[in-house]
Amino acid sequence: DAGITQSPRYKITETGRQVTLMCHQTWSHSYMFWYRQDLGHGLRLIYYSAAADITDKGEVPDGYVVSRSKTENFPLTLESATRSQTSVYFCASSEPYSGANVLTFGAGSRLTVL
Amino acid sequence: AQKVTQAQTEISVVEKEDVTLDCVYETRDTTYYLFWYKQPPSGELVFLIRRNSFDEQNEISGRYSWNFQKSTSSFNFTITASQVVDSAVYFCALSDTNTGNQFYFGTGTSLTVIP
Repeated sequence: DAGITQSPRYKITETGRQVTLMCHQTWSHSYMFWYRQDLGHGLRLIYYSAAADITDKGEVPDGYVVSRSKTENFPLTLESATRSQTSVYFCASSEPYSGANVLTFGAGSRLTVL
Repeated sequence: AQKVTQAQTEISVVEKEDVTLDCVYETRDTTYYLFWYKQPPSGELVFLIRRNSFDEQNEISGRYSWNFQKSTSSFNFTITASQVVDSAVYFCALSDTNTGNQFYFGTGTSLTVIP
């Protein structure tokens, strides 16, 4: 199916464990993003990527690692999860060179760190 | 620095009332885009509208309308004759060409429409 998919949708883990959230898009959009959503903070950018092998930090990158070896995939890894990383994570993509440049979101991944 | 402010954290209206959600933005760029997204209780983020900085024409889509005023750096969203299905969190966002195509979001306004 065309679109942007995130997995897992729900994850419970323990402090100190490594967690990877997956994101896959089928549009071949050049830009991909990871946001976290927390009450009172809205959507905050963690990392983004302008193309394969090009990534850059957003507003809240500490504790997170990303990679983008293929255009369609943009996994987010929490190397050693902390309780403050309990959040809803949204992956998104956009294509600024098409003229549309609308940010399209995945369904979100709800992560709980105990 | 780019910034989006949604001063209204929560709004409650009775069904069929009109409601306006405020959005004020800051940017030094002359070319930028403004957006509104809706997040219903189911949690997904739904794109509603995009407006570029050179187009100040107001837009109407059914019960929704948007008022873009560069003089006050505002991009307000009005729902006419609100319905229960309009209950959601609404986010305003800004994107410009000089910061790597980043999107800056406000903190959102939670709208509750009471039947």
